[in-house]
Amino acid sequence: ELKVEQNPLFLSMQEGKNYTIYCNYSTTSDRLYWYRQDPGKSLESLFVLLSNGAVKQEGRLMASLDTKARLSTLHITAAVHDLSATYFCAVDMKSNYQLIWGAGTKLIIKP
Amino acid sequence: NAGVTQTPKFQVLKTGQSMTLQCAQDMNHNSMYWYRQDPGMGLRLIYYSASEGTTDKGEVPNGYNVSRLNKREFSLRLESAAPSQTSVYFCASRQGQHEKLFFGSGTQLSVL
Repeated sequence: ELKVEQNPLFLSMQEGKNYTIYCNYSTTSDRLYWYRQDPGKSLESLFVLLSNGAVKQEGRLMASLDTKARLSTLHITAAVHDLSATYFCAVDMKSNYQLIWGAGTKLIIKP
Repeated sequence: NAGVTQTPKFQVLKTGQSMTLQCAQDMNHNSMYWYRQDPGMGLRLIYYSASEGTTDKGEVPNGYNVSRLNKREFSLRLESAAPSQTSVYFCASRQGQHEKLFFGSGTQLSVL
């Protein structure tokens, strides 16, 4: 059974600091996704990571994938308040059309 | 550019009542999904439809039924609502098996 674990589940940090969210998964997979959800809103796609060593960056967010370690990271550089949200990772199951989701990391960035 | 449209946005039901959540996408996507989101539990898949004419159970299908009416529309029905079905429901779609999902705005459902 494919399991996806995120840590930390909750993170409170100061503006200007750097931090990393981790996403571990238990079996091989082709794709890993990062999504953002603002309070009371829907989910928005941030990154799609396709292969080992993939790195994608958008503004202050950078995501990477290590398929051998079954680990993805979402790195936040010089955090700003607007990045406060819940971040989810999700992994495709190879055998069917399902995605398996992590529980989410609630990120609060204080001025 | 509508994307994925869900209706209604809010609904309150009494235990035992039935209702249907509607979802439509205008991106010509093949696959459609229904999730529920509960606090601290991430997203759990209820049912999905890999392509028009097919539906499959996800992690938590009990108490729900779905219909893939055509390529655009995928509805979720609660036949006899229970308080445990109080949740936020999201419909999503994607073009193929390994593509990113596009989400609707969600339905906040309360069952009293």
